[in-house]
Amino acid sequence: GQSLEQPSEVTAVEGAIVQINCTYQTSGFYGLSWYQQHDGGAPTFLSYNALDGLEETGRFSSFLSRSDSYGYLLLQELQMKDSASYFCAVRAYRSGNTGKLIFGQGTTLQVKP
Amino acid sequence: NAGVTQTPKFQVLKTGQSMTLQCAQDMNHEYMSWYRQDPGMGLRLIHYSVGAGITDQGEVPNGYNVSRSTTEDFPLRLLSAAPSQTSVYFCASSYDGGPGTFNEQFFGPGTRLTVL
Repeated sequence: GQSLEQPSEVTAVEGAIVQINCTYQTSGFYGLSWYQQHDGGAPTFLSYNALDGLEETGRFSSFLSRSDSYGYLLLQELQMKDSASYFCAVRAYRSGNTGKLIFGQGTTLQVKP
Repeated sequence: NAGVTQTPKFQVLKTGQSMTLQCAQDMNHEYMSWYRQDPGMGLRLIHYSVGAGITDQGEVPNGYNVSRSTTEDFPLRLLSAAPSQTSVYFCASSYDGGPGTFNEQFFGPGTRLTVL
């Protein structure tokens, strides 16, 4: 089966750096992606790692280590608007098709002034 | 483009009633899926489809049926609603490049369902 583990909550102050970790178990790993969801809204795509290393997109970076089945999302220069839930996701292999995208339980980030 | 649309936005059902949650996308995406979101449980996959006429089960398929007769539409049917199905339901779609490819998921605004 597939499973992902994330911390349930993280708190940080405005301007700081925060790291949200994700460990996963899945067959036929295709890559790790991250989504952001503000309260009451729909999830939106943030970042994707297919290979080991760091991917940077503005204030957000995502890291993957396939040998450790581990990744993280790094948010720099935190702003109040970054208060949201963050989900990691992996695609589980399915013979004959693209397979299903499975999400972690999400990490709620609270940014304080 | 409207993206992914879902109707209704809110729905209240009584136990045992049936209903269909509608999902449509205008991006010509092959891949469509349904998730439910409960507090503390993240997004759990109910069913997904990789193209018209092809559907498969997700993590929590019991109590839900789907079909995919067109590329655009992917309705979710609750045959006999139960209080345990009270949740927020999200539909998502993406391009499908095949096994091993990355495909950004685009989510609809959600349907908030309460079963009494």
